[in-house]
Amino acid sequence: DVKVTQSSRYLVKRTGEKVFLECVQDMDHENMFWYRQDPGLGLRLIYFSYDVKMKEKGDIPEGYSVSREKKERFSLILESASTNQTSMYLCASSLGKGEQFFGPGTRLTVL
Amino acid sequence: GENVEQHPSTLSVQEGDSAVIKCTYSDSASNYFPWYKQELGKRPQLIIDIRSNVGEKKDQRIAVTLNKTAKHFSLHITETQPEDSAVYFCAANQAGTALIFGKGTTLSVSS
Repeated sequence: DVKVTQSSRYLVKRTGEKVFLECVQDMDHENMFWYRQDPGLGLRLIYFSYDVKMKEKGDIPEGYSVSREKKERFSLILESASTNQTSMYLCASSLGKGEQFFGPGTRLTVL
Repeated sequence: GENVEQHPSTLSVQEGDSAVIKCTYSDSASNYFPWYKQELGKRPQLIIDIRSNVGEKKDQRIAVTLNKTAKHFSLHITETQPEDSAVYFCAANQAGTALIFGKGTTLSVSS
């Protein structure tokens, strides 16, 4: 049974802070993804990674960076948080070109 | 890059009726089309998917059809039940493994 976990369910940060969101999967999946979910906008792809130390930009990478030092862990970094980055962040992983398994999400509020 | 349009944004049906959600995509290279269901407060979960070498796929009350020429695919739910109430997302793959999602359809099934 695939398990994708995220470091926090809820997070409150202040404008300008550096924010780290972590995602861990336990099924040896090579692909990992970060999305943000906003009402009426669906799931928008921020970054994805298909291997350790590899990363690809998604549709909305501005203001974000990622790190994948180990296969099971994919981190999303907000270098300087802004209020327009208040959102639900979802991590996912997949094996090849198939089903993506999602984590529970982190609701980030930037004040 | 890929663009996925989903309609309608909201859909209300009576229990026992059928529900149809339609999506169009732009990239003719896309070849994997999953549908996810997200219940309130929960993570998205795959309910059915189809690949480009297949025109239709069924799983009990759920079916998906794909028209590659017209670049559209649809989700059909028959004999709807209150527990089918959720947000449904279609998606198409981009650059191999990444998914681009539609904006979602909120389905309400009233008894």
